[in-house]
Amino acid sequence: AQSVTQLDSQVPVFEEAPVELRCNYSSSVSVYLFWYVQYPNQGLQLLLKYLSGSTLVKGINGFEAEFNKSQTSFHLRKPSVHISDTAEYFCAVSESNSGGSNYKLTFGKGTLLTVNP
Amino acid sequence: DAGVTQSPTHLIKTRGQQVTLRCSPKSGHDTVSWYQQALGQGPQFIFQYYEEEERQRGNFPDRFSGHQFPNYSSELNVNALLLGDSALYLCASSFPPGRRTYGYTFGSGTRLTVV
Repeated sequence: AQSVTQLDSQVPVFEEAPVELRCNYSSSVSVYLFWYVQYPNQGLQLLLKYLSGSTLVKGINGFEAEFNKSQTSFHLRKPSVHISDTAEYFCAVSESNSGGSNYKLTFGKGTLLTVNP
Repeated sequence: DAGVTQSPTHLIKTRGQQVTLRCSPKSGHDTVSWYQQALGQGPQFIFQYYEEEERQRGNFPDRFSGHQFPNYSSELNVNALLLGDSALYLCASSFPPGRRTYGYTFGSGTRLTVV
């Protein structure tokens, strides 16, 4: 079984400041890791994913995340945020079964990022 | 290219009633997964359908059931509704599990309110 812990339920920041949203996971098998963003009254949009290879993953809208296997972490970062980045962010894992994907996703509880002017 | 389409977008039901939610997957995808997102929580996996069969199931009671049609669209049925079933229900389409090509696309969800 897998679990995901998002360490901050809310993160307020000022516009153009850097931000880090923290995510730790637990799993007894190899996993894939994801960050999704959810704007109000909308579904989930994939920001980035780690499947294999380089531990630094770049995604859309200037976001990046680093996979740290020893610390079982996958923190999301952005060097300079905009008002439009205000949204709920979810970290998720799924098992990597013989390299295959699209198994069920286990999500964290989410982090509400609020960017203030 | 249409993404994942869910209907209805909102509905209100009374405790004890039954509800059916519908999902059309993204063109090219043949696998549909359903998630429940309670207010202030992350989505929780309900089940996944591929080749018209339930392939994986999360920790949800038998009141939650589903179906997949030959055109890959899917329905989620919930019987004997409880107040705690109020949530946003998300549908996600993908390629089948086990593929080496990752690709989940989420719909905008159906907001179910049970009163």
